[in-house]
Amino acid sequence: SQTIHQWPATLVQPVGSPLSLECTVEGTSNPNLYWYRQAAGRGLQLLFYSVGIGQISSEVPQNLSASRPQDRQFILSSKKLLLSDSGFYLCAWSVGGNSYEQYFGPGTRLTVT
Amino acid sequence: TQLLEQSPQFLSIQEGENLTVYCNSSSVFSSLQWYRQEPGEGPVLLVTVVTGGEVKKLKRLTFQFGDARKDSSLHITAAQPGDTGLYLCAGARSGNTPLVFGKGTRLSVI
Repeated sequence: SQTIHQWPATLVQPVGSPLSLECTVEGTSNPNLYWYRQAAGRGLQLLFYSVGIGQISSEVPQNLSASRPQDRQFILSSKKLLLSDSGFYLCAWSVGGNSYEQYFGPGTRLTVT
Repeated sequence: TQLLEQSPQFLSIQEGENLTVYCNSSSVFSSLQWYRQEPGEGPVLLVTVVTGGEVKKLKRLTFQFGDARKDSSLHITAAQPGDTGLYLCAGARSGNTPLVFGKGTRLSVI
């Protein structure tokens, strides 16, 4: 069976500090991978998605970036965090070539102080 | 422009009542999914509907996809406190593009 992991679960970082959130998927090959941010328990904002190693599509221009160094690893980064980067970050995967059903990780709660 | 509009945004009902939440769009989707999310956790997929007019049942939950594949509804019969959560609908526009998510309906069953 497939499993998706995210870490850390919670993070408190000062403004201007760097960020690295990691997501890994087990039990599947060549998945599509996604990063979302969710504010105040509301809808999901798609930040990045990837259909393969080194292939990243950005949906929202901001101070975040994403990388996919391995087939089942997706990393969300920032060089300098802003207060507005606070939120609940979710990683998801779907079967490669078919985005119909996405499966989400447990999320990372980021608070920028 | 929000492609998927969910209504109501908030719903608070008594245990045992029935409810319906809606997901509407002016766009056609090849499929539509419903997720439930509990506080501090990731959304969990409940169902996928792919055919216009399709009805799927999951215990006390009934999902319907509109004939024109532009809208969907979720009906819960005899709601229980365990149904509390954020219900999200998401639509797929083509095979390999990201899903479009609605903003969700927050349900509280007391």
